[in-house]
Amino acid sequence: GAGVSQSPRYKVAKRGQDVALRCDPISGHVSLFWYQQALGQGPEFLTYFQNEAQLDKSGLPSDRFFAERPEGSVSTLKIQRTQQEDSAVYLCASSLEGGRLVGVAQETQYFGPGTRLLVL
Amino acid sequence: RKEVEQDPGPFNVPEGATVAFNCTYSNSASQSFFWYRQDCRKEPKLLMSVYSSGNEDGRFTAQLNRASQYISLLIRDSKLSDSATYLCVVNEMGNTPLVFGKGTRLSVIA
Repeated sequence: GAGVSQSPRYKVAKRGQDVALRCDPISGHVSLFWYQQALGQGPEFLTYFQNEAQLDKSGLPSDRFFAERPEGSVSTLKIQRTQQEDSAVYLCASSLEGGRLVGVAQETQYFGPGTRLLVL
Repeated sequence: RKEVEQDPGPFNVPEGATVAFNCTYSNSASQSFFWYRQDCRKEPKLLMSVYSSGNEDGRFTAQLNRASQYISLLIRDSKLSDSATYLCVVNEMGNTPLVFGKGTRLSVIA
């Protein structure tokens, strides 16, 4: 079946430009995560949705970053007034279930191919 | 200090070699542990979960020591196709964000 898809795959932006990155999770997946991966680093958490509710946005680096998932499926990560330090791969992941029950095994997160953002 | 620390890479090994990766984590509340594999310019993919009793999947063996907060991955009989970055990953409890290490790059050479 179809996996997680992201678009665009590559984005070049001029410093100060706004960008919008799209994530289509696996159909029926409740949870959606955004991660940022800088060159030579592991992915770092940005924000998490359970259906349309944004339950955790503690990883967003500044108020220039905004994410939404209005209908509980497709999500958009928006970066306003991009800066050079925003250059990274932005990864989206989805998992089937929601909830944060202690003792429940971690639901596998399936990653999309990422959007590679370069800010000049 | 990062929550998840891994061996610095890269590891360059000949085909057929055995290679071991180590990882330590700082959050004692961590409950789930994984190794992910990431090929160049691709997304991370789950290689295997890591259980306290240790687990094996073909040529791959993962170990967890909760007391020392230490995770390992052993790859036996390395293949050229094993060349990738291996990411050590932990998380606190069900369906929470994953915390990744920086990754260790492995190059298997013919």
